[in-house]
Amino acid sequence: DGGITQSPKYLFRKEGQNVTLSCEQNLNHDAMYWYRQDPGQGLRLIYYSQIVNDFQKGDIAEGYSVSREKKESFPLTVTSAQKNPTAFYLCASEQGMAGNTIYFGEGSWLTVV
Amino acid sequence: AQSVTQLDSQVPVFEEAPVELRCNYSSSVSVYLFWYVQYPNQGLQLLLKYLSGSTLVKGINGFEAEFNKSQTSFHLRKPSVHISDTAEYFCAVKATNAGKSTFGDGTTLTVKP
Repeated sequence: DGGITQSPKYLFRKEGQNVTLSCEQNLNHDAMYWYRQDPGQGLRLIYYSQIVNDFQKGDIAEGYSVSREKKESFPLTVTSAQKNPTAFYLCASEQGMAGNTIYFGEGSWLTVV
Repeated sequence: AQSVTQLDSQVPVFEEAPVELRCNYSSSVSVYLFWYVQYPNQGLQLLLKYLSGSTLVKGINGFEAEFNKSQTSFHLRKPSVHISDTAEYFCAVKATNAGKSTFGDGTTLTVKP
């Protein structure tokens, strides 16, 4: 089945460590997104990419980095510079920026211990 | 730029009662409008969307929404809710000339027996 796969589902990080969240899609979508969701709150955009080898900062990019070397993959690295990284992270994709439906992965929980 | 306001952060309702989740938006250009649903510990999935044409849009699970351009609203309704409808509901808006989607802060619908 086509869809978006995020891994791992649960991840624990020690303070000062970088961690990378994986996001893979087989929908042949051009656009991909990373959102952060804190308990009881809405979605905040971290980074997005419209095409391979290109990405733009969203509203809360500080302390995060991404790459888009392949169309199907858009990994997110949470760096030690992110002061409050504990959250639920959602990856999503869309046919293009002119598309009209966003498809989401199942999400990844990151907890700092 | 667009903005979305979901007027109720929490809506408790008894099973088999009707429900309305309210969404207002602001935009200087034409928009597409969406409702997404998020079940606990999962990603979001599309409930319904308004692109053009009839202002009454029907979605999955018996939900419907009405686009009101003069009031810049896109309220979600269901005539009779089930326990399984308990979830977080997000309203979103996107400019028709492409761009990123903007999400509201979400409304938690709790259906009680």
